[in-house]
Amino acid sequence: NAGVTQTPKFQVLKTGQSMTLQCAQDMNHEYMSWYRQDPGMGLRLIHYSVGAGITDQGEVPNGYNVSRSTTEDFPLRLLSAAPSQTSVYFCASSLRFSGNTIYFGEGSWLTVV
Amino acid sequence: QQPVQSPQAVILREGEDAVINCSSSKALYSVHWYRQKHGEAPVFLMILLKGGEQKGHEKISASFNEKKQQSSLYLTASQLSYSGTYFCGRGGSQGNLIFGKGTKLSVKP
Repeated sequence: NAGVTQTPKFQVLKTGQSMTLQCAQDMNHEYMSWYRQDPGMGLRLIHYSVGAGITDQGEVPNGYNVSRSTTEDFPLRLLSAAPSQTSVYFCASSLRFSGNTIYFGEGSWLTVV
Repeated sequence: QQPVQSPQAVILREGEDAVINCSSSKALYSVHWYRQKHGEAPVFLMILLKGGEQKGHEKISASFNEKKQQSSLYLTASQLSYSGTYFCGRGGSQGNLIFGKGTKLSVKP
């Protein structure tokens, strides 16, 4: 089982560039989400989705865009990268219920220069 | 709002016990505990769903006081492998999870 797969693992961007972080899961999970992790801040929720066609904002959504056209995929788009978006990004998925285990991808290290 | 974890960091000797606390100002539908080692993804430890429930996983257990909106993680007879950062997460009604800032646990020989 692949679980939650994120690509790329490492990326360096210039300020103002755009890019998409890819996330795919093969567990037929309804719920998917994106977090960013910065030193001392823990994991902060960017956007989440409770099913195909449904997305919602988390704690820190500004500067990011998401869509959910299929159950399997949940890409995160940076429209105009800023140095403040330098972070480690984690995609996660679970069955749609508060009491279900959330599975994380391996993370994507993004540096904006 | 992020749940508040305490302490922020703790250093233990092998075999010692530790308690990590998590409190929330918002309603807790569930509490999740994860451990993360440096450079890796968070790894699931346990979920607590009901008030007063206590769960265990080998020498790691947790309690959840729904009335006080608090949870505590208990690590007994710590091992070197317990080192890492522990996160509690507040489960929302739609399944979204809001994490605290983490507690860094270091276990020394």
